[in-house]
Amino acid sequence: EVQLVESGGGLVQPGGSLRLSCAASGFTFSSYEMNWVRQAPGKGLEWVSYISSSGSTIYYADSVKGRFTISRDNAKNSLYLQMNSLRAEDTAVYYCARLGYSSSSGDPNMDVWGKGTTVTVSS
Amino acid sequence: SSELTQDPAVSVALGQTVRITCQGDSLRSYYASWYQQKPGQAPVLVIYGKNNRPSGIPDRFSGSSSGNTASLTITGAQAEDEADYYCNSRDSSGNLWVFGGGTKLTVL
Repeated sequence: EVQLVESGGGLVQPGGSLRLSCAASGFTFSSYEMNWVRQAPGKGLEWVSYISSSGSTIYYADSVKGRFTISRDNAKNSLYLQMNSLRAEDTAVYYCARLGYSSSSGDPNMDVWGKGTTVTVSS
Repeated sequence: SSELTQDPAVSVALGQTVRITCQGDSLRSYYASWYQQKPGQAPVLVIYGKNNRPSGIPDRFSGSSSGNTASLTITGAQAEDEADYYCNSRDSSGNLWVFGGGTKLTVL
């Protein structure tokens, strides 16, 4: 079964740090680009960061650039998000999502999602 | 980066057809994907590309695009279709991703 499982969320004070992990199984992780997407309480989805299959290409949303670092370990089938200088507005459920491409059209899509891990930034 | 705009809420009578739209400049260059999210659950991909459905998604879900507008159509809406729907696409640079604000669908 294709699966993504996030972990590492919790309660952290403003200015603190947290490292999220996403464990992949059921597919060849090293072949897929990955994303982190978050959802603040009662709000919509917000794309956070992207990493290529090799890890050589990385992008961030302006809201987290300079504070968050995405990385991956293909040998461990794992994706990470290091979050530093956390703010109250970073409070959200964080999802990892696989970026798939249609075999027929090549169209990209986030085809597999984890259940998410909750990050709360509060004093 | 660019923005994707969705109507906050839409309602449809059981068994009728509803269209949910998404507007943005990047949609002139890139197709949108559509995600369904029910309370307390992770998003689920329902439409991607020109009009493609992942396996397991009912054929009452379809997608279309014209100019800067992408649309998700549910033909014969069911009670279980009541959910939030989000569009998603690359931004105008092609490097970043952006989600619409979401549309809450109510099935009456």
